Amino acid sequence: KAGVTQTPRYLIKTRGQQVTLSCSPISGHRSVSWYQQTPGQGLQFLFEYFSETQRNKGNFPGRFSGRQFSNSRSEMNVSTLELGDSALYLCASSLRGITNEKLFFGSGTQLSVL
Amino acid sequence: GQNIDQPTEMTATEGAIVQINCTYQTSGFNGLFWYQQHAGEAPTFLSYNVLDGLEEKGRFSSFLSRSKGYSYLLLKELQMKDSASYLCAVRDRQAGTALIFGKGTTLSVSS
Repeated sequence: KAGVTQTPRYLIKTRGQQVTLSCSPISGHRSVSWYQQTPGQGLQFLFEYFSETQRNKGNFPGRFSGRQFSNSRSEMNVSTLELGDSALYLCASSLRGITNEKLFFGSGTQLSVL
Repeated sequence: GQNIDQPTEMTATEGAIVQINCTYQTSGFNGLFWYQQHAGEAPTFLSYNVLDGLEEKGRFSSFLSRSKGYSYLLLKELQMKDSASYLCAVRDRQAGTALIFGKGTTLSVSS
């Protein structure tokens, strides 16, 4: 069974640009979450999607958005990039996103904003 | 609010036992997870505790005390491949399905 796949693996952008990251969850998983990982803050929750609906949102500005498609694949978008957005963006999937389910993480997209 | 604390770094030698502590403060505790993350790789699930006590899984064990807001991950018979970051994460009813992570403990195992 294939794991969680994230593309691209690396991205370099400049301030003010926008970026779209993609995540394909494990087959059959309907919940997809996104996390930002930085050395200073660790992993921080961005949002969670289930059946194409945003079910939960973390404390990030509106420049960060996402969506989920009918096949459970998800994308996240960051507009008007800032230097502080440089981070590893991790996607995680689970079957139903219920509280006792473990998350399966992808290897992430490393975003560098210059 | 929520707060999770764990040591930043730990070192140990091959064959030894190491205990990584995690303390947390949440208003609606709803489970605690431990993940392992090797540099440049995805975090992988190690253990889940929701009730007090010890959960053992091979060389790895995890303990939870809800009254103390405390957990530890115990790694026995350390191997070089155990050098990684260990992430403590909790679920809080107020945060719904989100996992709230500590900043991670980087463990270095030497021979």
